[in-house]
Amino acid sequence: AQSVTQPDIHITVSEGASLELRCNYSYGATPYLFWYVQSPGQGLQLLLKYFSGDTLVQGIKGFEAEFKRSQSSFNLRKPSVHWSDAAEYFCAVGASKAAGNKLTFGGGTRVLVKP
Amino acid sequence: GAVVSQHPSWVICKSGTSVKIECRSLDFQATTMFWYRQFPKQSLMLMATSNEGSKATYEQGVEKDKFLINHASLTLSTLTVTSAHPEDSSFYICSARDWAGGDNSPLHFGNGTRLTVT
Repeated sequence: AQSVTQPDIHITVSEGASLELRCNYSYGATPYLFWYVQSPGQGLQLLLKYFSGDTLVQGIKGFEAEFKRSQSSFNLRKPSVHWSDAAEYFCAVGASKAAGNKLTFGGGTRVLVKP
Repeated sequence: GAVVSQHPSWVICKSGTSVKIECRSLDFQATTMFWYRQFPKQSLMLMATSNEGSKATYEQGVEKDKFLINHASLTLSTLTVTSAHPEDSSFYICSARDWAGGDNSPLHFGNGTRLTVT
C-alpha cells in the first residue's frame, strides 16, 4: 500500500527566507507525486507534479520540488517566501498519472510566515 | 481555467437529519469525481469515487448507506449524509478531472463544505 509522510507538522519561516517542506513516500512501483496547497477553509490547489523525466520540477507561485528515488523523497522548496504563502501544504502520491486516481495524502505541513 | 463548484460552503444541521452536498464541474465534463473528508488539522481521506451513470466505489470503512453518492450527469455529483450525527461533522471536499484532458490533466478541487451536526 502506498503511504506518504510529512515529518513536519508546523514550520515557521520569516518572510523572504527560504522554505523547504519534506515529503517521504512509500510505493512499490513508479510513483506519481504531487504537491497541493490549501488555504484556510478552501479546497486544494495543485502546485506541481512529477511523473517522469527531469527530477527537478517547477511549479506555480515560485515553488519547485526535487524527486530523489534513492531517498524516496519529494521535497518542496521556495527560495523566498511571501506572506501569502502561509497555508497548509500536502504531498500526495498516486497510482497513475491521472491526478486523483487513488491519491494518498500526507498529513500536511502548516506554514506560518513571520513578517 | 477549470472550476469545480461545491455547494453549500457550510451547513449546520440537527442530528438525525440528512444533508446533501453538490459538486459541479463548471466548464468541463467529469466522468469521475472524488469525495474526500478532512477532519480538523488532519489530512484528506478519500471516501469514495463517484462514477457517472454507475454506482460509486467506496473506500474501506466508509458506509455506503450513510454516505449516498449520485453522479447523474457529467457535471454533477452529490453526496448525501444520511441521518447525520455529530461525529459526521467534518470538511468534505470534492474533486474532478476533465475526462477529455487525458492522463496528464490536473485534478480540480472544490472549495469544500464545512458540515456541523448539532
